[in-house]
Amino acid sequence: DAKTTQPTSMDCAEGRAANLPCNHSTISGNEYVYWYRQIHSQGPQYIIHGLKNNETNEMASLIITEDRKSSTLILPHATLRDTAVYYCIVSFSGGYNKLIFGAGTRLAVHP
Amino acid sequence: EADIYQTPRYLVIGTGKKITLECSQTMGHDKMYWYQQDPGMELHLIHYSYGVNSTEKGDLSSESTVSRIRTEHFPLTLESARPSHTSQYLCASSVRDRDQETQYFGPGTRLLVL
Repeated sequence: DAKTTQPTSMDCAEGRAANLPCNHSTISGNEYVYWYRQIHSQGPQYIIHGLKNNETNEMASLIITEDRKSSTLILPHATLRDTAVYYCIVSFSGGYNKLIFGAGTRLAVHP
Repeated sequence: EADIYQTPRYLVIGTGKKITLECSQTMGHDKMYWYQQDPGMELHLIHYSYGVNSTEKGDLSSESTVSRIRTEHFPLTLESARPSHTSQYLCASSVRDRDQETQYFGPGTRLLVL
């Protein structure tokens, strides 16, 4: 599975968009990009995933570059409850869905 | 979204005791997982299961064992707890979505072995 690189921490003002970057330059053609988040040591929460097209759901948008070597998770209107560690994971299911969690990005949303 | 339940949520126990951490899901997911996470650290996969009577060890070596007798249950057992087992244990199950498996996690069990 490809390795990902994320900034250690980010800040965002409440109500503004939070843009969380992720580099995955060694991603292969059959690997998806997943985003999960973990709020204060609770169980991780699935946010969104994509292969090559941009994706949007009720929680966030995922923008994947054309070469698929990087992606950005966008929280359009961050709230204090979005303060969490955000994990970008590249995974190919092939048997079982192996998720390798790195250190993630600690997003702090402030008033 | 899956409903994943873990009990107990918190457990303080003495060294040498046998413990079982329960995990159950109500969505009929075939695949289930156990992760271990020390405070402030990364999650590590310790066990997974493709379905009933299927169990495999994950990436991180663990002295715990698991069983999968029923689809909805995936308990984790430590025969003799030690302080080094102190950690948070997270259970997950997965559902297929557009050729990929999306995992849904339970709230976790925080274990403290004295």
